[in-house]
Amino acid sequence: GENVEQHPSTLSVQEGDSAVIKCTYSDSASNYFPWYKQELGKGPQLIIDIRSNVGEKKDQRIAVTLNKTAKHFSLHITETQPEDSAVYFCAPWGGGSNYKLTFGKGTLLTVNP
Amino acid sequence: ETGVTQSPTHLIKTRGQQVTLRCSSQSGHNTVSWYQQALGQGPQFIFQYYREEENGRGNFPPRFSGLQFPNYSSELNVNALELDDSALYLCASIIQGAHEQFFGPGTRLTVL
Repeated sequence: GENVEQHPSTLSVQEGDSAVIKCTYSDSASNYFPWYKQELGKGPQLIIDIRSNVGEKKDQRIAVTLNKTAKHFSLHITETQPEDSAVYFCAPWGGGSNYKLTFGKGTLLTVNP
Repeated sequence: ETGVTQSPTHLIKTRGQQVTLRCSSQSGHNTVSWYQQALGQGPQFIFQYYREEENGRGNFPPRFSGLQFPNYSSELNVNALELDDSALYLCASIIQGAHEQFFGPGTRLTVL
């Protein structure tokens, strides 16, 4: 099965700084790479995703980059704000007949005002 | 808001009991997945339903079972509860053929 590792496990930045979270995966068949944000007491919320035929995707302050050869993808958040504080999960999908996502263990991002 | 709702929000049970959790998917989303999220961990895939049939299962024992109804609502049933079943249970709705999964807020189950 898919083995997913996420680094770092915790990240603390000052407001306005950038944050980068990296996710490595093992299944070379993976072709869909989402990032989820989970706030306390809530379910995970999809914030950005990328498919395997694209190397980078940007949505305002958030971007995702993919290196299929090295089997890793990263979440980039620029101009961080206190409301970006949450746990972030990568969850690559390995294809197949169902939509099973394999989640990393999460990164707790704290943005200090 | 994802349009996915779950009930109840919190639940306390004792070991050996049975529990039913409910999920209401977004309109038109014909696939639903259930995940278990232990404290401090990422969600783990339990199973998925498409057109009222189980369509994939994770590493969970048969005492975890589910149902999907024609209106795309679904249930997760857990028999013979164990202490380790204490977790946040999440459902996610999906449009078959797309990839995006939209999660509900979850049900927090505590087993004493």
